[in-house]
Amino acid sequence: SQQGEEDPQALSIQEGENATMNCSYKTSINNLQWYRQNSGRGLVHLILIRSNEREKHSGRLRVTLDTSKKSSSLLITASRAADTASYFCATDEGTGFQKLVFGTGTRLLVSP
Amino acid sequence: SAVISQKPSRDICQRGTSLTIQCQVDSQVTMMFWYRQQPGQSLTLIATANQGSEATYESGFVIDKFPISRPNLTFSTLTVSNMSPEDSSIYLCSVELARETQYFGPGTRLLVL
Repeated sequence: SQQGEEDPQALSIQEGENATMNCSYKTSINNLQWYRQNSGRGLVHLILIRSNEREKHSGRLRVTLDTSKKSSSLLITASRAADTASYFCATDEGTGFQKLVFGTGTRLLVSP
Repeated sequence: SAVISQKPSRDICQRGTSLTIQCQVDSQVTMMFWYRQQPGQSLTLIATANQGSEATYESGFVIDKFPISRPNLTFSTLTVSNMSPEDSSIYLCSVELARETQYFGPGTRLLVL
């Protein structure tokens, strides 16, 4: 399996601004998930979007999925300093088994 | 979600030694997964561990180097054997709880000197 690509690799914004991260993957999928990781610790599950969904919201998070382009985006609105973390997308590669393939990640820095 | 714990949280080891990492879940789960995250990198799946059967290893990972035990539905161990500095990584276990969603432990940060 091959990792997906995420861009940008790093993003620096001010509190209150929106942050957009993009993820591209290589194979057919059943679903795509976004995770957050603070300072090299465990991953926190943010949101799952299925292949038949185009957009999903959860609080300040908005995720889109375009299966024709094999891409997804994560939008964090009204960012806070506490949103500073690395964000990873992960796909199941359509295998039906829950082996996740992670993207390369985006490091987000939100300055007060 | 569930409470997933890992022991140890971090360790510094000498090359040539082995370290066993424990993963404990507060509910019964069928599938547990072990991932490696090398410094500054993303996560790579090492193996899938089902209770009552041998672990299934991904390409590039072998049982002799990363033996896994899964004695019951709430516990698993991963051993990193004959360690070298290249094994310095964060090792994470995860479980599938809600449909298609994996939840991760806090990770074990390993430094091999």
